[in-house]
Amino acid sequence: TQLLEQSPQFLSIQEGENLTVYCNSSSVFSSLQWYRQEPGEGPVLLVTVVTGGEVKKLKRLTFQFGDARKDSSLHITAAQPGDTGLYLCAGGGAGNMLTFGGGTRLMVKP
Amino acid sequence: NAGVTQTPKFQVLKTGQSMTLQCAQDMNHEYMSWYRQDPGMGLRLIHYSVGAGITDQGEVPNGYNVSRSTTEDFPLRLLSAAPSQTSVYFCASRIFGRGRAPDTQYFGPGTRLTVL
Repeated sequence: TQLLEQSPQFLSIQEGENLTVYCNSSSVFSSLQWYRQEPGEGPVLLVTVVTGGEVKKLKRLTFQFGDARKDSSLHITAAQPGDTGLYLCAGGGAGNMLTFGGGTRLMVKP
Repeated sequence: NAGVTQTPKFQVLKTGQSMTLQCAQDMNHEYMSWYRQDPGMGLRLIHYSVGAGITDQGEVPNGYNVSRSTTEDFPLRLLSAAPSQTSVYFCASRIFGRGRAPDTQYFGPGTRLTVL
């Protein structure tokens, strides 16, 4: 079974600060996705990365896939209250199934 | 274009009762799946389907059945509800990337199930 560990589990910061969330595994994944989930709603896909070392930017969010395709990071610059939510990573594996990490709950205080 | 819809939004069952969670998508996606979300455990795959008439087990299939008679619908059946099945259930549909297009998965709004 492929496992994905996310850290930190919880993060509370002030508006304007920078932060990085990590997603780590001992397994190799064919792709890595990041989602954001708000209370009472389903996860919403932010990005998919497929190539080792790939970096994608989405406004103030920067996503990186590790060279060995075993880990990923999400960096948020100048966090805003609207960034508050649960961030989930998911790795693509055998049979096109996705394995999800446990999530990082982010709170950005005004 | 409604995306992925799920009904009901909330449900309370007694131990031993059965019920069906409904899921439909209007994007003509072949791949659909059911997940459950429990605190601190992310999402775990229950069952998935790669097209009409084809289903397979995920990580936690026990106590659940699925069928896929059409591309649009993918219901999840709880055969005999147990308190351990108290969770939030999400249905998702997925399109795989071709060429430069990314792999994209869309989730429904979820069904919050409590089993007493």
